[in-house]
Order: sequence, then C-alpha cells, then structure tokens
Amino acid sequence: QVQLVQSGPEVKKTWASVKVSCKASGYTFTNYGVSWVRQAPGQGLEWMGWINAYNGHTNYPLKLQGRVTMTADTSTSTAYLELRSLRSDDTAVYYCARDSRSPLAGYFDYWGQGTLVTVTS
Amino acid sequence: DIQMTQSPSSLSASVGDRVTITCRASQRMTNYLNWYQQKPGKAPKLLIYAASNLQSGVPSRFSGSGSGTDFTLTISSLQPEDFAIYYCQQSDSIPSTFGQGTKLEIK
Repeated sequence: QVQLVQSGPEVKKTWASVKVSCKASGYTFTNYGVSWVRQAPGQGLEWMGWINAYNGHTNYPLKLQGRVTMTADTSTSTAYLELRSLRSDDTAVYYCARDSRSPLAGYFDYWGQGTLVTVTS
Repeated sequence: DIQMTQSPSSLSASVGDRVTITCRASQRMTNYLNWYQQKPGKAPKLLIYAASNLQSGVPSRFSGSGSGTDFTLTISSLQPEDFAIYYCQQSDSIPSTFGQGTKLEIK
C-alpha cells in the first residue's frame, strides 16, 4: 500500500532553517512527483511547490522562491523540503503529497501524516 | 494566480440532506479541479479529481461537476462521517491554489 511517512515535529528559531523528509513506499517513486502543502494553525491549505521525483525538476510559487528548496533522493525514495530564513508565519503543519510527474493537471492522491514546524523568537 | 472562492464558507446540514458546495475560479480554466475532505488533525483526503472523477474508494454519494469558472461538489445524502472541511484545488496553472474551505457542520 502507498505510504508517505514524514519526519517528526520541529521547533526552530526565527531566521533558522528546517528540513522535513517524506519517505515514500508502496509505489515506484520515480513515476510520480511530490508536492508540499502547508497549513497554518486554523487556516486553509497553501501549495508550496512540486518536484518531479524522476529528474528533480522543481516548481515553486513566487512568494517562496529563494527560501525553499525541494529535493528527491531516488536511492531511498525520500523527498525533502528545506525552508530557510524562517519567520513566525511559517509556523504550520507541512504535508507532502504524491502528485503527477508534471507540475500541471495533477492531484494529490496520497498524503503524509504532516509535520508540525513551530517557529519561535 | 487563479483565485479560488468557495461558497458557502460554512454550512449546517442534517444527516440525509443533499448538500452542494461551489468553487468559483477567478478566470476560466480547464477541468483540472480537485476536491478534498479534511477532518480535524488529519491530512486532507482526495475525493474528486479533474472536476468529476471519483477517487477510488470514495463513496458514490460524492460527485463533482462544472466547467469554465464554476465547479460544484455534491453529497447526495449526508452521512455522519461527512462532517468535515472541504477544499477545492486547481492544478490548471502554476501556482496551484486552494479555495478557503467550506466547513460542513451538523445541524
């Protein structure tokens, strides 16, 4: 069965960086992409970007460009999200989700359990 | 960016009711419109993809329709487990964007 298992909760200081992992199993990792979605406390869902697990191509929204990096390790079927220069409004639950190999026309059919990242001053 | 606006933002209904949630895009788009259900403390769950395709394992009381700028999610007969927050999401253009959510509560 398809599973995405994320790393544990993180507490970081303002301006620090965080790296969240998402280990995939139950499917061929390189046949799909991975999107990352975050949810601030009590708020809605925000797409943070996408990576093609086959070739590593990425696509990020303008508001996060320069602060976010997504990578994929095909040897371990693990996707990573790194977010730098953390601010208080980055406090959120971060989800990985299986997506298509294209950044368009996809949908998120399997999700990780979420990783809470708390940014403190 | 395509802005997605859901209506209503919240809705009270009873078990057995037929419920419709609307998602309006700020510009005309293709049918790459998806619907998710989220329960407290859980990851979202895919219900409908590409506007009208039922995800495997999702009960047939859920259906999706629409085109252009207006899309709908319909639950034909509400069950107790359907009380949750529902989100639409467009993957027609980058960045992908979500609606603000519709909270479906028990009347």
